[in-house]
Amino acid sequence: KNEVEQSPQNLTAQEGEFITINCSYSVGISALHWLQQHPGGGIVSLFMLSSGKKKHGRLIATINIQEKHSSLHITASHPRDSAVYICAVPVLHGSGNTGKLIFGQGTTLQVKP
Amino acid sequence: AAGVIQSPRHLIKEKRETATLKCYPIPRHDTVYWYQQGPGQDPQFLISFYEKMQSDKGSIPDRFSAQQFSDYHSELNMSSLELGDSALYFCATRTSGTHEQFFGPGTRLTVL
Repeated sequence: KNEVEQSPQNLTAQEGEFITINCSYSVGISALHWLQQHPGGGIVSLFMLSSGKKKHGRLIATINIQEKHSSLHITASHPRDSAVYICAVPVLHGSGNTGKLIFGQGTTLQVKP
Repeated sequence: AAGVIQSPRHLIKEKRETATLKCYPIPRHDTVYWYQQGPGQDPQFLISFYEKMQSDKGSIPDRFSAQQFSDYHSELNMSSLELGDSALYFCATRTSGTHEQFFGPGTRLTVL
């Protein structure tokens, strides 16, 4: 079992739909990252959160530390949101945060017009 | 605002050649992480540096070496390139003690 698991692995939506991508992790974390990667492109950081909820435009990320679960929501989805969304957590070593990330396997989102 | 810079963005090499990839952190970032992402694969941690010293090592082949310089930029040197080295190589940087990391756009290496 992977330490960071995402669901679904693939997601197809119609433009305008509300989208949810889930991430569960089995390790202790200090923070969780949500990342976006367009086909053939580099990685862009969307959110880093350690508690509660963050919102940026049409994107919302939530995290429940007790349940070791985070969700990324996209409201009013648009074809340009089509990308791979990855959650990643930093490895903890002793009492410290090494910063080295463990990545989920990614969720490939396609939003159709 | 300045972001993490990587160069080159694209690189094509032949088997057995060498390659050098560069990562320039955001100012005041003292920690650099290198990752390799093969086609359709999850990113894998290669190596990291803090204050010019190697801080951690992952699944980096012996053919690869890396270092961090006094201006905190880092270089990943790859020798005896193999077809399987074709991947996106990206770096992430942060200020030690903080959680937030910033990602470079990556170097897409193709080995023919």
